[in-house]
Amino acid sequence: QLQLLESGPGLVKPSETLSLTCSVSGGPVTSDTYYWDWLRQSPEKGLEWIGSVSSGGTTYHNPSLQSRVTMSVDTSKNQFSLKLMSVTAADTAIYFCARDVYHAGEGTSKYWYLDLWGRGTLIAVSA
Amino acid sequence: DIQVTQSPSSLSASVGDTVTITCRASPAIGTYLNWYQQKPGEAPKVLIYAASKLQSGVPSRFSGSGSGTTFTVTISGLLPDDSATYFCQQTYSAPYDFGQGTKLEIK
Repeated sequence: QLQLLESGPGLVKPSETLSLTCSVSGGPVTSDTYYWDWLRQSPEKGLEWIGSVSSGGTTYHNPSLQSRVTMSVDTSKNQFSLKLMSVTAADTAIYFCARDVYHAGEGTSKYWYLDLWGRGTLIAVSA
Repeated sequence: DIQVTQSPSSLSASVGDTVTITCRASPAIGTYLNWYQQKPGEAPKVLIYAASKLQSGVPSRFSGSGSGTTFTVTISGLLPDDSATYFCQQTYSAPYDFGQGTKLEIK
């Protein structure tokens, strides 16, 4: 059974860069049929999709965060990562990693959904 | 961006009842709509994908319907374990936004 586990610093100072890693166990991170996603959740903004990355390095970002976000996959460590630059208090949230899979519809339609999630890690931005 | 609006924000029902939660998207998104269940302290869990397809392992008491701009998830024969917050998510175009959530209380 594939499992995801987020790891991060817990506390980040304003203006610094948040770095998170999601370790994948029970299966390879390399697959043409998955994307690997980052999401976050806060009382103020609810559930927010941050972005997706494939094992080949293709990325999709939320435009609201795009200029501050970097995502990558490390196949040698079987993990993927998120870097969020210039954090502020508004970036305080529970951060989740998740596996994004698709159901093939008619023609070339792909219906993506998040079928596996990590437990989440709380990140606070404070001096 | 696609606007996703979920209603109601909360509801209370009794064991055995049937409840329906609605998600509206603007503009239309075909059937690119997922439903998730989240319990306190846990990550969300997918219930329904592509508007109406039941995720493996999810009880058939859960059902989804809709296309275009209006979608619903229905939970029949409510059990105490169904107490949770339910979210919809559109995956038609990025950013793949979620609804604001519906908190379901079982009386």
